[in-house]
Amino acid sequence: GDSVTQMEGPVTLSEEAFLTINCTYTATGYPSLFWYVQYPGEGLQLLLKATKADDKGSNKGFEATYRKETTSFHLEKGSVQVSDSAVYFCAPSRSGGSNYKLTFGKGTLLTVNP
Amino acid sequence: NAGVTQTPKFQVLKTGQSMTLQCAQDMNHNSMYWYRQDPGMGLRLIYYSASEGTTDKGEVPNGYNVSRLNKREFSLRLESAAPSQTSVYFCASSAGQGNEKLFFGSGTQLSVL
Repeated sequence: GDSVTQMEGPVTLSEEAFLTINCTYTATGYPSLFWYVQYPGEGLQLLLKATKADDKGSNKGFEATYRKETTSFHLEKGSVQVSDSAVYFCAPSRSGGSNYKLTFGKGTLLTVNP
Repeated sequence: NAGVTQTPKFQVLKTGQSMTLQCAQDMNHNSMYWYRQDPGMGLRLIYYSASEGTTDKGEVPNGYNVSRLNKREFSLRLESAAPSQTSVYFCASSAGQGNEKLFFGSGTQLSVL
């Protein structure tokens, strides 16, 4: 079945530091790839996505590139802010058919200190 | 902009009690989902409904039932709650048919004593 492995947290950084959260996946077919973010006390919300190989998703200064050859979708940000403190989830989608479901990673807690 | 609305936000049950978690979306989405979130486990899919009138089991369906009441509403029922069902429950919806962007509710924190 589909699975995803995320870098285990927690990750603690100082403001303006560089962030990388690793994500690798196994999936049948050709999945779309997503990063979701969960701010404290809230539900998840879509951060960015990529739908085919070599696509780069980006939003709010975050980027991730769909690497089919390494089955990876690592999340990066050049300069984190305190407001980026949240839990980040990598999620490949099950491709094919009409019933799409996401498989979520276990999440990586990021804390950014001033 | 209500989006996905879940009720209640908090609930405490005794072992063996039953309850229903309610979820409604106002985005005319076809697909709806119930997830549970546990520390160190991420989100796990309990049940989903790809379209009105259909429901399917997800990864962890045991101990739960669902009802897709209409296009807007998708409820999750615990018939006989167990301490292992202590968790945070999230409802989500998506347009479906390949559009995988999920919109999440704010969650229900359930404790079973």
